[in-house]
Amino acid sequence: KNQVEQSPQSLIILEGKNCTLQCNYTVSPFSNLRWYKQDTGRGPVSLTIMTFSENTKSNGRYTATLDADTKQSSLHITASQLSDSASYICVVITRQSSASKIIFGSGTRLSIRP
Amino acid sequence: EAQVTQNPRYLITVTGKKLTVTCSQNMNHEYMSWYRQDPGLGLRQIYYSMNVEVTDKGDVPEGYKVSRKEKRNFPLILESPSPNQTSLYFCASSYKGSNYGYTFGSGTRLTVV
Repeated sequence: KNQVEQSPQSLIILEGKNCTLQCNYTVSPFSNLRWYKQDTGRGPVSLTIMTFSENTKSNGRYTATLDADTKQSSLHITASQLSDSASYICVVITRQSSASKIIFGSGTRLSIRP
Repeated sequence: EAQVTQNPRYLITVTGKKLTVTCSQNMNHEYMSWYRQDPGLGLRQIYYSMNVEVTDKGDVPEGYKVSRKEKRNFPLILESPSPNQTSLYFCASSYKGSNYGYTFGSGTRLTVV
């Protein structure tokens, strides 16, 4: 069964600290993986996209990693800011023949405290 | 500004009263989709459309209808809403070849009493 599991479910850290969010997936065949940020009351916004051959990709203070062998991805946030408080959703896309399927994780809720 | 616009943002309705949630995008995207988001379950796809007049069921289509008569609009119709359809709904769109680089709307919070 295609699944995307994220951990932790929620996380509280102090402003300025670093944190890492985890995403494990059992999706096959793998096409690509995205991390989305969802602010409270808003729609998700794409942070990064990673294909099979990519190990690391950065977007400002956000760095995503992908290990396609172990089917794990992480999102590392450096020098956190209050505006980083949001839910972070891992999304994996699988593609068979001409059909694609998108599987969403249930997200990690991150709270940054001053 | 490139965006996906949903209306209304908030809606409280009674069981059985037909309603429509509108979705419009101004980016000429081929692909549009509706999701519902419930606590602990993540986003689940209701219906999607690859282009005008082409729609398909997602993972949780029961109780919903959609139409795609124009490229920019993709309304979600609840013919007879029930309390289990109380949820947060998102419309999203993307270019066909963008690997689902979705642009999401701001969401519609629906309560069915």
